[in-house]
Amino acid sequence: AQSVTQLGSHVSVSEGALVLLRCNYSSSVPPYLFWYVQYPNQGLQLLLKYTSAATLVKGINGFEAEFKKSETSFHLTKPSAHMSDAAEYFCAVSVSGNEKLTFGTGTRLTIIP
Amino acid sequence: DTGVSQNPRHKITKRGQNVTFRCDPISEHNRLYWYRQTLGQGPEFLTYFQNEAQLEKSRLLSDRFSAERPKGSFSTLEIQRTEQGDSAMYLCASSLLVWGGQDTQYFGPGTRLTVL
Repeated sequence: AQSVTQLGSHVSVSEGALVLLRCNYSSSVPPYLFWYVQYPNQGLQLLLKYTSAATLVKGINGFEAEFKKSETSFHLTKPSAHMSDAAEYFCAVSVSGNEKLTFGTGTRLTIIP
Repeated sequence: DTGVSQNPRHKITKRGQNVTFRCDPISEHNRLYWYRQTLGQGPEFLTYFQNEAQLEKSRLLSDRFSAERPKGSFSTLEIQRTEQGDSAMYLCASSLLVWGGQDTQYFGPGTRLTVL
């Protein structure tokens, strides 16, 4: 079975500071990994996905994530936080990249002015 | 591409009543997924369709839940004899699976169900 663990249910950073949201995965086969963002009262929007093509994945809104097999991690980063980044972020995994997603419990990101 | 739409956006019902939600996927998307999200948790998979065929159902989907996707277009999720524990956000996602590729799931805004 596949699973993801998101460390830190709440993260606060100052505007302009580095954003780091952590995700560790568990999978018996090479995983496909995703980061989604959810704004209040909205559905989920895909930020980026890892499909084994490249370990450093660039997404929308300046976010990127690096797949590290040795650490079973897929942490999400952004060099400079913006107020509009305040939202809930979910890491997810799927077995083959074309079936159901298994999500983590989410990390709520707060940006301090 | 108008995105995935879900109706209604909010539903308040009394315990024991039946409710039905509708999801309209992105045009020509052949896969459609249902997830449930409770407060403070990530979405949990319920079921998915490829065209009109229901390919997988989660153990979370008790016999009070039924989903359909007639003609492989829109889908409905019905909950019979609702319980307070059914209160959640019900999310729909659609994707286009092509041979040998990976699909990307696009989510709708969700239907928030409150069972009193």
